[in-house]
Amino acid sequence: DAGVIQSPRHEVTEMGQEVTLRCKPISGHNSLFWYRQTMMRGLELLIYFNNNVPIDDSGMPEDRFSAKMPNASFSTLKIQPSEPRDSAVYFCASTRDRAWSNQPQHFGDGTRLSIL
Amino acid sequence: RKEVEQDPGPFNVPEGATVAFNCTYSNSASQSFFWYRQDCRKEPKLLMSVYSSGNEDGRFTAQLNRASQYISLLIRDSKLSDSATYLCVVASNAGNNRKLIWGLGTSLAVNP
Repeated sequence: DAGVIQSPRHEVTEMGQEVTLRCKPISGHNSLFWYRQTMMRGLELLIYFNNNVPIDDSGMPEDRFSAKMPNASFSTLKIQPSEPRDSAVYFCASTRDRAWSNQPQHFGDGTRLSIL
Repeated sequence: RKEVEQDPGPFNVPEGATVAFNCTYSNSASQSFFWYRQDCRKEPKLLMSVYSSGNEDGRFTAQLNRASQYISLLIRDSKLSDSATYLCVVASNAGNNRKLIWGLGTSLAVNP
């Protein structure tokens, strides 16, 4: 079975540019999560969706960040405009059913983002 | 105090050694606990859930101490392939306030 698929694997861009990260969750999983990981702050939950609806976006750092899930098999995380401090690894994860806090999460390979 | 705290290490141990990590949490209402493993430049992967009665999976044993608010992971007969960062995850689900907090991880290096 295919796991969580993220693209691109690596992104290097100049500050001020728009960045779009993509995620395809595991088929049949109802909850999707976007994380950011840095050495200093570890894994931070940015936003999570259940049945394509955003449930908690309290981790989104500021208005420059936005996320959408137009259908059960696709989500995007967009940063506009990007800044050097946004450089991090961004992970997408999915879980089965709505009881997400009791379910293990399956992660994609991550997108390594560098903003110059 | 951080909501979830781990000793960052690194723990350097020889092959065959037994090593244990602890993870403390501040929210007494926390309900679910997990240990994840993350290899360098890879994604986190579930190692094991932590049950109230403690649980074992091969060389790995996880325990929960609610009174002192910590979970532990014990690795016996450590292998070179156990070298990784071990992340503690604590989840609470109080009404509509669901939170999932990740520790910063404990780094383990198993040496030949």
